[in-house]
Parts: sequence; structure tokens; C-alpha cells
Amino acid sequence: DGGITQSPKYLFRKEGQNVTLSCEQNLNHDAMYWYRQDPGQGLRLIYYSQIVNDFQKGDIAEGYSVSREKKESFPLTVTSAQKNPTAFYLCASSPTGGNTGELFFGEGSRLTVL
Amino acid sequence: GIQVEQSPPDLILQEGANSTLRCNFSDSVNNLQWFHQNPWGQLINLFYIPSGTKQNGRLSATTVATERYSLLYISSSQTTDSGVYFCAGEGETSGSRLTFGEGTQLTVNP
Repeated sequence: DGGITQSPKYLFRKEGQNVTLSCEQNLNHDAMYWYRQDPGQGLRLIYYSQIVNDFQKGDIAEGYSVSREKKESFPLTVTSAQKNPTAFYLCASSPTGGNTGELFFGEGSRLTVL
Repeated sequence: GIQVEQSPPDLILQEGANSTLRCNFSDSVNNLQWFHQNPWGQLINLFYIPSGTKQNGRLSATTVATERYSLLYISSSQTTDSGVYFCAGEGETSGSRLTFGEGTQLTVNP
């Protein structure tokens, strides 16, 4: 089945450790996105990529890094520089790399930093 | 960037009732979309509706782009409709980035 797979679904880490969240899609979409959601709030854009080997900062990119070496993969690293990393992280993709087309989401990864 | 305001923030209904959720934008938007987030966090795209009206079963949406708002109608609500409803839009100068509202928390009681 086509879709977006995020892993792990739940992750616990100690403060000061870097963690990498995986996002894979088999929808053949050009564009991929990472969002952060805090309890009771909307989604905020961390990074996005409209095409392989290119990505742009979103509204809250500080303390995060990404790569887009393959069309189907867009991993997110939460670095130790991110001051409040505990959150729900959502990966999404859309068919086109121009204007944001219809957006499809993975099931999310819940990161808790102890 | 654009501001997105959703109303009401919370809504409690009895099963079978109808409801209207509203989304206002501070500026002209493209690519307006509505999403439903279930209690487990999964976001499902309900409508991609830059303008006009669309219907999908008990749900329908209308966007009046010239007046910068969109409405989501839920008819004959069911308990499975519970969750958070988000709207999102892309400002004309935003460049491939959707801005999300804070959401409407809907609870449908049996």
C-alpha cells in the first residue's frame, strides 16, 4: 500500500543526545515536510524539501537538521541544541514541488526527552 | 506570514447533531486544506479546497477565497467524528509552506 512511514512511533532519549526520526514515502511525491506539534496546538513547519538534494528552513528550524539524498526519504535529526525537543513530530509529503499540493501525513513520532 | 484563526476552539455535540467550523485568514491564501486529527494523532486530509464547495459523505466544505474564509460542515455527527479539525493555507508569498490554525476540538457524545 502507498503511504508515509515514520519510525519510531515512540522514542525516549536523555537530554543532550541527538536523535534521528525516519520518514519514508512510496507515493512518488516530490515534496516532503517535517512539522512539530505541541499539546493543544497546531502544526509548525520545521523543514521542507521540494526536490532531492535540496531543502529549506521552515519557521522553527533551529536545533534541527535534515537531509534529502533520496526522493523517498527525508530523515529529521533533533540535535542537542534544540532546547525543548519533547513533542509530536509529523512527516508529510505532497505530489508537487511548487506550491504545496494536497498534503498527506505519516502517523507521527512522539519524542520524549528525559 | 499569514495568520489563521479557527472557531470555535472547542465544540461538544450530541450524536446526530450538525455543526459548522470556520477558518479565517489574514490575507489571500492558496491551497486551502482541511484535516482531521484522530485521538491517536493521525492527520487525515479531508478536503483540498482552494475555492468553491466540495462534499464527501456527511462532510462538506466551502471556501470563499475573496473574503478569506472557509467553512467545514459536519452533518449527522457520529462519535467517530471526534478529534481535532485543522485548516491550513498557503499565503501567496509564503512559498510552498502551509500555515495551520490552532484547531477546533470536537467531541461527539453518544
